Amino acid sequence: KNQVEQSPQSLIILEGKNCTLQCNYTVSPFSNLRWYKQDTGRGPVSLTIMTFSENTKSNGRYTATLDADTKQSSLHITASQLSDSASYICVLRRVGNTPLVFGKGTRLSVIA
Amino acid sequence: GAVVSQHPSWVICKSGTSVKIECRSLDFQATTMFWYRQFPKQSLMLMATSNEGSKATYEQGVEKDKFLINHASLTLSTLTVTSAHPEDSSFYICSASRGGQINEQFFGPGTRLTVL
Repeated sequence: KNQVEQSPQSLIILEGKNCTLQCNYTVSPFSNLRWYKQDTGRGPVSLTIMTFSENTKSNGRYTATLDADTKQSSLHITASQLSDSASYICVLRRVGNTPLVFGKGTRLSVIA
Repeated sequence: GAVVSQHPSWVICKSGTSVKIECRSLDFQATTMFWYRQFPKQSLMLMATSNEGSKATYEQGVEKDKFLINHASLTLSTLTVTSAHPEDSSFYICSASRGGQINEQFFGPGTRLTVL
């Protein structure tokens, strides 16, 4: 079983609409949780990084939340734009100098 | 700041040849660099971790003699795919970290390798 599960696997929304992507994890303890945006054929770009003690972090139209009790994180995108079409990846860093744990991502398509 | 580049962005080679991919941190010194492989619609899979001046640490199942990693300086790491085969065709992504409490990794744009 993956330690980081993301849902939905894919999502199609109309331009201008909001959406929320989910990330459930079993990694514990962890140092920080990150959300990345990966355009097709490109490397991931960091959107937000939250330590285990933070509940929310915003970056423009992106707002990430973290509930350490339920081991869930979400990424909310407001007023979506066509350029938001990409894969959004939830990533956790365990405590200590250990590799990152990646989710499989949610593929978001924003259509006009 | 924190820009990581990769070269080439894509490469096509014949089976049996070797291919070198460069990863550079352009505006910071990277204490650690990482090499990932990503197949279509899959998550990134860590291949190896390298620290400047020392041997790379490979993940289980990754052949160190096939994927040669050199980390000669704090701004440059190279991955050489030796005797490439079609099954090595993939998207290779490097990342660089400058340490610190958050230890954020900055990813390169990736290199698309196609082995014919």
